[in-house]
Amino acid sequence: QSVLTQPPSVSGAPGQRVTISCTGSSSNIGAGYDVHWYQQLPGTAPKLLIYGNSNRPSGVPDRFSGSKSGTSASLAITGLQAEDEADYYCQSYDSSLSGSDWVFGGGTKLTVL
Amino acid sequence: QVQLVQSGAEVKKPGASVKVSCKASGYTFTSYYMHWVRQAPGQGLEWMGIINPSGGSTSYAQKFQGRVTMTRDTSTSTVYMELSSLRSEDTAVYYCARLSGRGSSSPDAAFDIWGQGTMVTVSS
Repeated sequence: QSVLTQPPSVSGAPGQRVTISCTGSSSNIGAGYDVHWYQQLPGTAPKLLIYGNSNRPSGVPDRFSGSKSGTSASLAITGLQAEDEADYYCQSYDSSLSGSDWVFGGGTKLTVL
Repeated sequence: QVQLVQSGAEVKKPGASVKVSCKASGYTFTSYYMHWVRQAPGQGLEWMGIINPSGGSTSYAQKFQGRVTMTRDTSTSTVYMELSSLRSEDTAVYYCARLSGRGSSSPDAAFDIWGQGTMVTVSS
């Protein structure tokens, strides 16, 4: 059971817009810690997609955007392309009485129809 | 260019130990904290721990306390992750990942560079 909750799967047709949610709690996202997003293409290592809630590293298309509000964050992908088919993970930091850890969501598989 | 290159795949028997290496290049090794993350087959990402390549200090996820040891060799810009008392549930791809933010272990920093992954298979 992941500390951050993501939908297992989402899908969309080419050209459409999809969003992936990441729900946390008061000990992680709600505590003000930043959320980052990673894209993992089949058989490859994760790649940083969005950092600091809404910032794109150099080379990431502006079709990808991130936002954060309260205890949740979202990744939006517009103009869906076949090459976007991948697993997407959110990541943040969790600090509670039981300790402090870097944490990930369970991942969301994006299927381009 | 900035890159992390990991050691090759390993096959181990239950109860054994495995040591995975991650060699950094293209940047000042001691200036960025390094993490280890694993991914079981068909599963999500799981954080294991962090090492400061400068001083060698470490912090491990509670789940791995007592079984994992992270070390570094500044002369070769390499970090190591050793996991002992292996069981079948440890079968996974193990990644090293650099924490962005020079000289900082900020909880708000992201993992900006990843190694290619090392498959560790635990089987009798």
